[in-house]
Amino acid sequence: DIQMTQSPSSLSASVGDRVTITCRASQRISDYLNWYQQKPGKAPEVLIYTASSLQSGVPSRFSGSGSGTDFTLTISSLEPEDFAIYYCQQSFSIPRTFGQGTRVEIK
Amino acid sequence: QVQLQESGPGLVKPSETLSLTCSVSGGSISGYYWSWIRQPPGKGLEWIGYIYSSGSATYSPSLKSRVTISVDTSKNQFSLKLYSVTAADTAVYYCARREYAAGIDVFDIWGQGTMVTVSS
Repeated sequence: DIQMTQSPSSLSASVGDRVTITCRASQRISDYLNWYQQKPGKAPEVLIYTASSLQSGVPSRFSGSGSGTDFTLTISSLEPEDFAIYYCQQSFSIPRTFGQGTRVEIK
Repeated sequence: QVQLQESGPGLVKPSETLSLTCSVSGGSISGYYWSWIRQPPGKGLEWIGYIYSSGSATYSPSLKSRVTISVDTSKNQFSLKLYSVTAADTAVYYCARREYAAGIDVFDIWGQGTMVTVSS
């Protein structure tokens, strides 16, 4: 199985801050990397697919980058509704695997 | 737009079979892959498997011996059966659509999730 490791596991930030979350794969996965946002009691929603493509309807303050084993999700200016848990997920091989999540909290 | 809705018992006894159904509305189930993903309370996401509308299924190796995913195109539904459950199978179970085309491979539409507790 490909292990996906996110860092940090949690972070505290203020509205307007630039936030960066990192995801590392245990082997090379090209750009088969997706990012999801999950709010309490809700299902995850896709933000970014194929490492850097913005899902339709997702605000442009979200962006993704990376290839191979190292990937980044960036929120350019944090909004109140962005406080949530973020997961990366690889779609390179079976089984599909997710990172452990990064909780973004209000400072 | 396409919406997914999980249904099934919220409580299952140990050693019995967990059975859930996902109803697809606002679009056809044909031509897509449909997935089950679960999330134990307070933990991360675990992919269970997916099925193409033709009936071809792929499972997580860790669950393969206990899982069956099936599809009923006439009802626009797909289903999950997880056999011989234990407390470790207690989780919120999500159904999701796998968008797979032109280099894209992502779970793009999710149901709201249904909590299943395994307990006697």
